[in-house]
Amino acid sequence: DIQMTQSPSSLSASVGDRVSITCRASQSISTYLHWYQQKPGRAPKLLISDVSTLESGVPSRFSGSGSGTDFTLTISNLQPEDLATYYCQQSYGTALSFGGGTKVEIK
Amino acid sequence: QVQLVQSGAEVQKPGASVKVSCRASGYSFTGNYLHWVRQAPGQGLEWMGRINPESGGTIFAQKFQGRVTMASDTSINTAYMELTSLTFDDTAIYFCAREVLGGLRTLDPWGQGTLVAVSS
Repeated sequence: DIQMTQSPSSLSASVGDRVSITCRASQSISTYLHWYQQKPGRAPKLLISDVSTLESGVPSRFSGSGSGTDFTLTISNLQPEDLATYYCQQSYGTALSFGGGTKVEIK
Repeated sequence: QVQLVQSGAEVQKPGASVKVSCRASGYSFTGNYLHWVRQAPGQGLEWMGRINPESGGTIFAQKFQGRVTMASDTSINTAYMELTSLTFDDTAIYFCAREVLGGLRTLDPWGQGTLVAVSS
């Protein structure tokens, strides 16, 4: 199975900051990499698919990049409502798998 | 709108089984695979497997092989996930999620989650 490793596991930043979260796959997954946002007490929500395609309604301050094994989610101009845990997910392998999550806190 | 509504919280004893339901609405139930993902308290997301509601075909994560069953009832647009031989480590929120059409195998939307607590 494909293992997904996210870093950092948590971060704290101020409103208006630019933050980046990385996700590394244990083997090449082409561009089968997606990002989810999970707000406290809620179910996850699909944020970005296929590395960089924003889902409908997702603010343009979110962006994704990467290919192969290394991927990045960037939030520019961090907002209070971005308080959440972010997960990457690969769909290259038969079994889906998620990264361990990155908790984003607002200073 | 597309919606997945799950059954309520459960408390089970070690060694017992639990069955969680997921009722779909707002789309053609047989047109999309349905996945199950769990989340232990304070932990990340763990994929358990998926079912093709039309054919009943399933794929499970290796970790759950032999202990999980997934089924669907197309007459009431409902999918089920049953986990047997429960241990304390199975305490988690269990989510169902629809696989988006198009081949990327992304999950959207998700059900609200069902808390399963294993307690003696």
